Amino acid sequence: GENVEQHPSTLSVQEGDSAVIKCTYSDSASNYFPWYKQELGKRPQLIIDIRSNVGEKKDQRIAVTLNKTAKHFSLHITETQPEDSAVYFCAALTPLENNDMRFGAGTRLTVKP
Amino acid sequence: GAGVSQSPRYKVAKRGQDVALRCDPISGHVSLFWYQQALGQGPEFLTYFQNEAQLDKSGLPSDRFFAERPEGSVSTLKIQRTQQEDSAVYLCASSLEDSRGETQYFGPGTRLLVL
Repeated sequence: GENVEQHPSTLSVQEGDSAVIKCTYSDSASNYFPWYKQELGKRPQLIIDIRSNVGEKKDQRIAVTLNKTAKHFSLHITETQPEDSAVYFCAALTPLENNDMRFGAGTRLTVKP
Repeated sequence: GAGVSQSPRYKVAKRGQDVALRCDPISGHVSLFWYQQALGQGPEFLTYFQNEAQLDKSGLPSDRFFAERPEGSVSTLKIQRTQQEDSAVYLCASSLEDSRGETQYFGPGTRLLVL
């Protein structure tokens, strides 16, 4: 089945700097890759997603890139702000697998003012 | 409109007690998912419904876990004879279409603590 690994587990940046979180997946059939932001004690919120037919997607300060050959995808946050501090989860969906939405273990991002 | 809601938000159970967790998906959403999130971990898939049909229950950890969605809207996750290892946040998510490749909207979760 699919296995998603996420790095780093913690990330601390200064306000205004960029943050990059990387995920790798194992199943080449995976075709949908969402990113969720989860603040302490709250629900995961989708912030951006990408499908396997595109290599990059951007939404204001957030972008995601996908390298299908290498089976990895990354979240890029530019001009970070303290309110970006949260745990970020990547996920990969494999349509042919029963248990097909696998999440990474999460990255705790801290943006220092 | 209202998002996904779950109740109760917190549940403390004694070991061996049965619990029932409720999920109200976004109105009209076809797909409903249950996930288990242990402390400091990502959500782990439990089960998936398309309308009232439970199409995938491969993530349920044991036969003590049972989920239903009899009318294709509200869903209940039941855990029988709870064990301490069942302590986790149980998240429900729904999506509009009947494909798992659609955006999933999560509820706030039910935090279950088994003593």
